[in-house]
Amino acid sequence: DVKVTQSSRYLVKRTGEKVFLECVQDMDHENMFWYRQDPGLGLRLIYFSYDVKMKEKGDIPEGYSVSREKKERFSLILESASTNQTSMYLCASSPIIQGQSYGYTFGSGTRLTVV
Amino acid sequence: DAKTTQPPSMDCAEGRAANLPCNHSTISGNEYVYWYRQIHSQGPQYIIHGLKNNETNEMASLIITEDRKSSTLILPHATLRDTAVYYCIVRANYGGSQGNLIFGKGTKLSVKP
Repeated sequence: DVKVTQSSRYLVKRTGEKVFLECVQDMDHENMFWYRQDPGLGLRLIYFSYDVKMKEKGDIPEGYSVSREKKERFSLILESASTNQTSMYLCASSPIIQGQSYGYTFGSGTRLTVV
Repeated sequence: DAKTTQPPSMDCAEGRAANLPCNHSTISGNEYVYWYRQIHSQGPQYIIHGLKNNETNEMASLIITEDRKSSTLILPHATLRDTAVYYCIVRANYGGSQGNLIFGKGTKLSVKP
């Protein structure tokens, strides 16, 4: 089974702190994604990457950056955490097979609270 | 990506079949229908996907109409653990940004004893 592991299940940080959310997948998937999920707003894509050192902005990239130095690891960085970034953060990965992208596997999520 | 329309909520009795509908009237010829579910406080879980033909796996069956404008996810014997939000998504299997999943609001399925 593919595993997508997010480093923390719950995290509490202070306003202004730099926050790193880590995600690791063990099946050599090319694509990796970061979403946030908020009540009433559903899942929204923050950033994605379809190769090492490649990154693309999703729908809500403001206030976030990402890093993909190795294929298996995709990090989400909150440069200066704010209370409106309190949310559930979900990482996902998917393979590319013969040029086509297939189903996603999600991690369990990190519930981040910024106080 | 084509948009989908799902009922916001449904109830189902435990042990009975749960039939979750999805309308995707603007689906393109190369777009697949994907179903995911999200149990409370967990990440979404892939269930099944299909293009034209009906599909079945150990979790569910997917029935796609001949004109591909709608589909139904069937959980043949719903259990309490199937209580979740079910998302119907249509997208082409491209690499890069064209293959991104866009989640809507989904259907909240409540399985009752």
